[in-house]
Amino acid sequence: AAGVIQSPRHLIKEKRETATLKCYPIPRHDTVYWYQQGPGQDPQFLISFYEKMQSDKGSIPDRFSAQQFSDYHSELNMSSLELGDSALYFCASRLAGHTGELFFGEGSRLTVL
Amino acid sequence: AQSVTQPDIHITVSEGASLELRCNYSYGATPYLFWYVQSPGQGLQLLLKYFSGDTLVQGIKGFEAEFKRSQSSFNLRKPSVHWSDAAEYFCAVGVGQAGTALIFGKGTTLSVSS
Repeated sequence: AAGVIQSPRHLIKEKRETATLKCYPIPRHDTVYWYQQGPGQDPQFLISFYEKMQSDKGSIPDRFSAQQFSDYHSELNMSSLELGDSALYFCASRLAGHTGELFFGEGSRLTVL
Repeated sequence: AQSVTQPDIHITVSEGASLELRCNYSYGATPYLFWYVQSPGQGLQLLLKYFSGDTLVQGIKGFEAEFKRSQSSFNLRKPSVHWSDAAEYFCAVGVGQAGTALIFGKGTTLSVSS
């Protein structure tokens, strides 16, 4: 079965650079979530989208922005990167109206040097 | 504010022994509760979830959890642990629309000894 696809799986950037992470949800899933998991930390909810509109907002820094496109894929844009942005970024998707399970991707590991 | 507490950072259990991972939550309304498992370098896999109804929920891989409103707890159990169960376990409460903006606990690392 198709799963949530994230790209790139690994990314290395310098401080103050920008990075873009992509998420392709499971086919027919219309809701996308972004989470950030720092080393040894629990995942922190950043933001979510439903039908290309922001639905919930968590602890997403102002330097970050995200959007969902007409094909339901989502991109997380991170600017002015800081060392503390080094983390595993998870995307999850679900089908709206189906309360319950989020399907998580395997994550994109960002390392900021 | 909503929060999830997992009191045990690390637990070691002998293979074949029973397991209980503790989870306490703080949430004003009836919570949506979840247990996820994460193997090293991998994504999060849902073990089980509770929304309403029967307070004892069954999940995958032989796991179950019991919701106790009076104790604000949602402890995860397994009667007999297998070596492949070694992983990080996260309890989460769902907030936001449809309760799917998850707030995770800090996680419990399970080690299985032979």
